[in-house]
Amino acid sequence: DGGITQSPKYLFRKEGQNVTLSCEQNLNHDAMYWYRQDPGQGLRLIYYSQIVNDFQKGDIAEGYSVSREKKESFPLTVTSAQKNPTAFYLCASSPFGEGNDEQYFGPGTRLTVT
Amino acid sequence: AQSVTQPDIHITVSEGASLELRCNYSYGATPYLFWYVQSPGQGLQLLLKYFSGDTLVQGIKGFEAEFKRSQSSFNLRKPSVHWSDAAEYFCAVGALSSNTGKLIFGQGTTLQVKP
Repeated sequence: DGGITQSPKYLFRKEGQNVTLSCEQNLNHDAMYWYRQDPGQGLRLIYYSQIVNDFQKGDIAEGYSVSREKKESFPLTVTSAQKNPTAFYLCASSPFGEGNDEQYFGPGTRLTVT
Repeated sequence: AQSVTQPDIHITVSEGASLELRCNYSYGATPYLFWYVQSPGQGLQLLLKYFSGDTLVQGIKGFEAEFKRSQSSFNLRKPSVHWSDAAEYFCAVGALSSNTGKLIFGQGTTLQVKP
């Protein structure tokens, strides 16, 4: 089955540690996205990538980093510089990264930092 | 600035009753409009989308939405709600002029269904 996988579903870390969230897609989509979801705030874009080896900052990129070394993979690292990292993180992909693209979402990773 | 507003944070309806979830957007270019649904702790699933043509669009699970350019709205409707429709609903807008595929999401409306 084609789709997007995110692992793990739940992740716990101590404050001050970097943590990497995995996102893999087998839809052969060009574009991939990372969102952060907090209660009552909808989805906020962290980073996006339209092509391998290229990515752009979204609205809330501070404290996060990404890489896009392979078309199917777009891992997100939450660094110790992110002041409030506890949140639900969603990865998405779209076929071409164009304005009318439907985005397909993974099941999400809930990160808790204490 | 581009924005999407979902005026109702929380809505409760009785099972079998009709439903309308509101969405207003502010966008200078020709918009592409989407409605997504999210069950608790899950990712988002596309319900329907509007690009052009007939302003009344049909989606999955019996949902429909109507694009009204004069009101900058794209409200989601369902004639008869089922208990399984309880979820969070997000309206989103993309742009014809965008070459990034970025979507702007509203804050979401949580739907509760009473038996």
